[in-house]
Amino acid sequence: DAGVIQSPRHEVTEMGQEVTLRCKPISGHDYLFWYRQTMMRGLELLIYFNNNVPIDDSGMPEDRFSAKMPNASFSTLKIQPSEPRDSAVYFCASSFRVGAPRAGTQETQYFGPGTRLLVL
Amino acid sequence: DAKTTQPPSMDCAEGRAANLPCNHSTISGNEYVYWYRQIHSQGPQYIIHGLKNNETNEMASLIITEDRKSSTLILPHATLRDTAVYYCIVRVVTTSGTYKYIFGTGTRLKVLA
Repeated sequence: DAGVIQSPRHEVTEMGQEVTLRCKPISGHDYLFWYRQTMMRGLELLIYFNNNVPIDDSGMPEDRFSAKMPNASFSTLKIQPSEPRDSAVYFCASSFRVGAPRAGTQETQYFGPGTRLLVL
Repeated sequence: DAKTTQPPSMDCAEGRAANLPCNHSTISGNEYVYWYRQIHSQGPQYIIHGLKNNETNEMASLIITEDRKSSTLILPHATLRDTAVYYCIVRVVTTSGTYKYIFGTGTRLKVLA
C-alpha cells in the first residue's frame, strides 16, 4: 500500500490567496484526520471524518478553514483567504477502528508526509 | 490541553535501552495511552498503545503503572535511526462520544554513537 498521500508537499502563497490541500487515505480506512503542526502550538487536530461525514470540527481555527470529504478516497482542506499565521505543516491521517464504541476501540492512525505551507 | 507530561529531551547511547517516561495523572478508566514518534519532518509514526497491561511489539515495550498515572516506553536496543521526537498521547473520549488524540510536546530523543 502507498500509505496516506498528500499533495502538494510544499506550497508557497501570498496572503489573501485560496489554498487547497489534498489527501488520499489508505484504502479501507473509514476515519480521516486533518492536523496542523507549528513550533508554537505543536500538533493540533483540526477535524476528522468517519465514513466521509465530519464528526468533530472543534479544532478548526475559524471560518476561513473548511474541509470536505466527497468520497472515501479523497479529502480537501481549504483556507480562504490565507494569512501568514496559517503557515504550518498540515498532516492528514487515516485509520480504521476495531471494537465497539466506548468499549476499548482499537485504532492506529497512519500519517501522510504532510504539506508544508508558507503564506507570505 | 494535553493530558500528558514528558521530559523535553533525552540522550541515549547506541545499543542501550532508551526509557522514555510519561505522566498522565488525570487519565480516565477507558482512555488508552498511545505512543508515536516523529522523525525529522516526517509524519508521526505509530509505535505502541495500551490500556492497563504492559504491551510489547517488534518496535518497543510499554510499561503502564498499576494506577495508570504514568507509563514508560522502552526501546530495547536504540539505534541512530531511533533519533526522533516521541509523543505520549492519551486518547480521550469527548462528551459527544468521539475519540481524539491530544498530542503533547513530546520528548526529543537523541541516540548517540
